[in-house]
Amino acid sequence: DVKVTQSSRYLVKRTGEKVFLECVQDMDHENMFWYRQDPGLGLRLIYFSYDVKMKEKGDIPEGYSVSREKKERFSLILESASTNQTSMYLCAAGGQLYGYTFGSGTRLTVV
Amino acid sequence: SQQGEEDPQALSIQEGENATMNCSYKTSINNLQWYRQNSGRGLVHLILIRSNEREKHSGRLRVTLDTSKKSSSLLITASRAADTASYFCATDSTNFGNEKLTFGTGTRLTIIP
Repeated sequence: DVKVTQSSRYLVKRTGEKVFLECVQDMDHENMFWYRQDPGLGLRLIYFSYDVKMKEKGDIPEGYSVSREKKERFSLILESASTNQTSMYLCAAGGQLYGYTFGSGTRLTVV
Repeated sequence: SQQGEEDPQALSIQEGENATMNCSYKTSINNLQWYRQNSGRGLVHLILIRSNEREKHSGRLRVTLDTSKKSSSLLITASRAADTASYFCATDSTNFGNEKLTFGTGTRLTIIP
C-alpha cells in the first residue's frame, strides 16, 4: 500500500525555534506538496516541488522554506516559529492521473 | 486563494439517506477531485473527474461536473455512520505545466445512526 509518512503527529515548539517537518513518500512521485489547515480557512498551499532540488512558492510561503534533496523526502522548515504558525500541516504526493495521497498530518503548537 | 467553495458548510442526515454536497469554482480547470477527511487525520482521495467528463461513479459515490456553471456535486447514496467526515473539493488548474491543487473549505457531514 502506497504511503506518505509525516514524521510527527504532534509537535510543541517554542517561539523563535527552527522547526523541521519531515515527509517521506514511497510512490516515486515527482510532485510533493505542503499544506496547512486551519478552521474556516480550509487547506492552503505553502510550497510544492516538481523534482529534486526544485521548489515553488504556494499561496502562503512567508515564514517557511522547504528542502528536497532526495525524490522521496520533502521537508518543511519554519525558520523562526511564531504562534500564528500553530496549525495542522499536511504533506501530499501525487499528480493529475490518480490524485494526491496525503500523510496523516502534523499538529504543530507554537507556544 | 480559494478556488473551490463547498455548500453547505455542514450537513446532518439520517443513516440510509442520500447526502449531496456542492462545489463551485472560479477559473477553468483540468480536473476536479473530491477528498474525505476524518477528524484530525489526513485527506483521502475519493474520486477524480476530468474537465471533459460530466459524471463519474465509484461505489456509492456519484460525482457530476458542469464546466459551464463551474460547479460539481458529490452524492453519497445509502449513507452510513462511517461516512461522517469532512468532504473537500479540489481543483487542478495547471499553470505552465506545474500542476497543483486548490482546496475549498469543506462540508462537514454528520450521519445520525
